[in-house]
Amino acid sequence: NAGVTQTPKFQVLKTGQSMTLQCAQDMNHNSMYWYRQDPGMGLRLIYYSASEGTTDKGEVPNGYNVSRLNKREFSLRLESAAPSQTSVYFCASQGQGDRDEQYFGPGTRLTVT
Amino acid sequence: GDSVTQMEGPVTLSEEAFLTINCTYTATGYPSLFWYVQYPGEGLQLLLKATKADDKGSNKGFEATYRKETTSFHLEKGSVQVSDSAVYFCALVTSGTYKYIFGTGTRLKVLA
Repeated sequence: NAGVTQTPKFQVLKTGQSMTLQCAQDMNHNSMYWYRQDPGMGLRLIYYSASEGTTDKGEVPNGYNVSRLNKREFSLRLESAAPSQTSVYFCASQGQGDRDEQYFGPGTRLTVT
Repeated sequence: GDSVTQMEGPVTLSEEAFLTINCTYTATGYPSLFWYVQYPGEGLQLLLKATKADDKGSNKGFEATYRKETTSFHLEKGSVQVSDSAVYFCALVTSGTYKYIFGTGTRLKVLA
């Protein structure tokens, strides 16, 4: 099993450009999540999808959109990138129960200039 | 709302020293509690967990006990190794919320 995979690993964007971060999991999990990690701030939830067909806002959703394409895939889109979105982005999926552990991808390091 | 507070780092220890990283929480209901570890350049991975009061989670020599009376879940290891150098995150999730709450992380550096 590959677990949770993310592409790309690194990306540099200019202000105003758009891009989509891809995430896929092969563990048949219902729930998937997008976080951003900034120095000194831990992980902050951007969006999550409790099950296929549903998405909900997290703590910091502004400037982002998501798509739960199917049970395996959950993408994060930046429509018009801003320097404040420079961060490391992690996708995660959660085991079958709503109190199970989460499994994280390796992250995407995004720089917006 | 729910929250997790963990000690500020960095924590610097010599190899074979005793480690404690404090974590306290506030939550409505009865959360599950977790410690995650993040090695440089990687995503978080589960270190241990506890799902109810007085449970002890353990893995790779690390331990933490779910203390409801003090709302704490402190991470301990009796003898750290250089390979334990990483960032450690305390986290909780409550039934029905689907939202994890993470602490800000504590960086541990172990010197040979």
